[in-house]
Amino acid sequence: DAKTTQPTSMDCAEGRAANLPCNHSTISGNEYVYWYRQIHSQGPQYIIHGLKNNETNEMASLIITEDRKSSTLILPHATLRDTAVYYCIVRPGSGNTGKLIFGQGTTLQVKP
Amino acid sequence: DVKVTQSSRYLVKRTGEKVFLECVQDMDHENMFWYRQDPGLGLRLIYFSYDVKMKEKGDIPEGYSVSREKKERFSLILESASTNQTSMYLCASTLEGATVPFFGQGTRLTVV
Repeated sequence: DAKTTQPTSMDCAEGRAANLPCNHSTISGNEYVYWYRQIHSQGPQYIIHGLKNNETNEMASLIITEDRKSSTLILPHATLRDTAVYYCIVRPGSGNTGKLIFGQGTTLQVKP
Repeated sequence: DVKVTQSSRYLVKRTGEKVFLECVQDMDHENMFWYRQDPGLGLRLIYFSYDVKMKEKGDIPEGYSVSREKKERFSLILESASTNQTSMYLCASTLEGATVPFFGQGTRLTVV
């Protein structure tokens, strides 16, 4: 199964873009990259996902490298409410399992 | 909207008790998952199920069992609760393929 590695923690100034990296060097061709975030004592909240093209929605942008071995989640204008743990996960696409494999996540601290 | 509902937000049980954590989803998802989350360890997969009566062990199945008698319900069972099973437990569900996995709000279990 593909694994992901992320920095343990990052800081970002309020109003600036937050760029959260993720490495997934063993990703398979049919596996998608998903990003979630988790605010204290709540369940993880879906942010965005993609296969190989860059994606954007109302919350964030996802940039996936051409070789698909890494990706970056971009929060364009971070606010204090974006302080959370961010998880990058890769979802196996084979068979029926669709197992979700979580890494340690990145704790993003947005500072005033 | 998809709803993944966990039966309790907070639970306190005594050592040696049999504990049932229930998870229900309302979108006919094939795949359901149970995780536990502990400080510094991220989310760890306990068990998952890709169909009724089907189950597979995750990374940390010891001390747990699961039941999936109906498609919408996935139960996590602690046969004899121990203090090291004090944790936040998260349930998730998803369709096959590249669809978004949804999480419940979590059950914070304390075993005393």
